Amino acid sequence: GENVEQHPSTLSVQEGDSAVIKCTYSDSASNYFPWYKQELGKRPQLIIDIRSNVGEKKDQRIAVTLNKTAKHFSLHITETQPEDSAVYFCAASIEGNMLTFGGGTRLMVKP
Amino acid sequence: KAGVTQTPRYLIKTRGQQVTLSCSPISGHRSVSWYQQTPGQGLQFLFEYFSETQRNKGNFPGRFSGRQFSNSRSEMNVSTLELGDSALYLCASSSTGGNTGELFFGEGSRLTVL
Repeated sequence: GENVEQHPSTLSVQEGDSAVIKCTYSDSASNYFPWYKQELGKRPQLIIDIRSNVGEKKDQRIAVTLNKTAKHFSLHITETQPEDSAVYFCAASIEGNMLTFGGGTRLMVKP
Repeated sequence: KAGVTQTPRYLIKTRGQQVTLSCSPISGHRSVSWYQQTPGQGLQFLFEYFSETQRNKGNFPGRFSGRQFSNSRSEMNVSTLELGDSALYLCASSSTGGNTGELFFGEGSRLTVL
């Protein structure tokens, strides 16, 4: 089955810096790659997603890039703010709503 | 529009017991999927239902089962509970059956097995 690796597991940045989280997937049939943000004690919420026919997608301070050949995708957050502090999960999907999640990255933004 | 509602939010059981968790999806959503979240294993897919049919099943033992009703509400059951079943069980609903839409998660049911 699909396997998703996520790095780093923890990331600490200064407010205003950029943060990059990387994921690799194993199954070339995966065609949908969402990113979820989970604040402490809260539910995961979708922040951005990308499909296999797109190489990059941006939404304000957040961007995701996909390299299908290398089977990896990355989340980029620019001008980080304290409210960006959370756990971020990447995921990959081949079909349906069956997502395989990465292990998560705890992002800490220091003011 | 009400979000995904899960009940109960917290529960404590002992080994060998069984538990049933309930999930009410967002109105109009026909897809309900379940995930187990633990500190060690992260978020793992359990199963997905669409229009009362199980579409996909994750790599969990047969003690984990689920069903979906005609109103799209879903339940999952865990029988013969083990200590390792302690986790946050998250339900997510989607308006589509394919991976074309956002998953909306509930707050989860936190199960502790003693």
